[in-house]
Amino acid sequence: GESVGLHLPTLSVQEGDNSIINCAYSNSASDYFIWYKQESGKGPQFIIDIRSNMDKRQGQRVTVLLNKTVKHLSLQIAATQPGDSAVYFCAELMDSSYKLIFGSGTRLLVRP
Amino acid sequence: EAGVAQSPRYKIIEKRQSVAFWCNPISGHATLYWYQQILGQGPKLLIQFQNNGVVDDSQLPKDRFSAERLKGVDSTLKIQPAKLEDSAVYLCASSRSTTSNSPLHFGNGTRLTVT
Repeated sequence: GESVGLHLPTLSVQEGDNSIINCAYSNSASDYFIWYKQESGKGPQFIIDIRSNMDKRQGQRVTVLLNKTVKHLSLQIAATQPGDSAVYFCAELMDSSYKLIFGSGTRLLVRP
Repeated sequence: EAGVAQSPRYKIIEKRQSVAFWCNPISGHATLYWYQQILGQGPKLLIQFQNNGVVDDSQLPKDRFSAERLKGVDSTLKIQPAKLEDSAVYLCASSRSTTSNSPLHFGNGTRLTVT
């Protein structure tokens, strides 16, 4: 399928290394943040979420960190695998509207 | 559970023609969304339904785009007439409700090319 992001910032990592993908969000009133993974030709897939009253949340091999002071979100992937290669989007929303706003995305390439 | 279904998978039309996309959300999901994703960008919300009512259509170009969700289940998105800048992937998503405990689940989208 055609790539979803030909001109996106790209992070290239060696298989087995840890990856850190960063995102700056726009609205200080946002309550809820989600990281999505999008593979070529597919829709975004939910990875992990975090509410604004938390600063860290862990999943399986993934950790999301939230710094509300500087409106910054990061996704850490431990022991990156070839199957992690995709475009990653952060998204934010306010409970009052439940309008999910996506960031511009980062392409992750995993070198074997 | 079955995911969000969309059809067609691909569509190529000439400018000024019309086109329609179809979406079947996950069973039991009250909220349905249509997003437009231009190549190299994140998805942009076009319209949000809660059951069969419109919650937000502020970003929908209403002079050419329309959407409906009759009976609160399936939805169609129509473009008439299409412009070159409408070339994009149109994603449908659904969630159980309009709360932050209900992440959006996306379909694989319809890729539209307008020539």
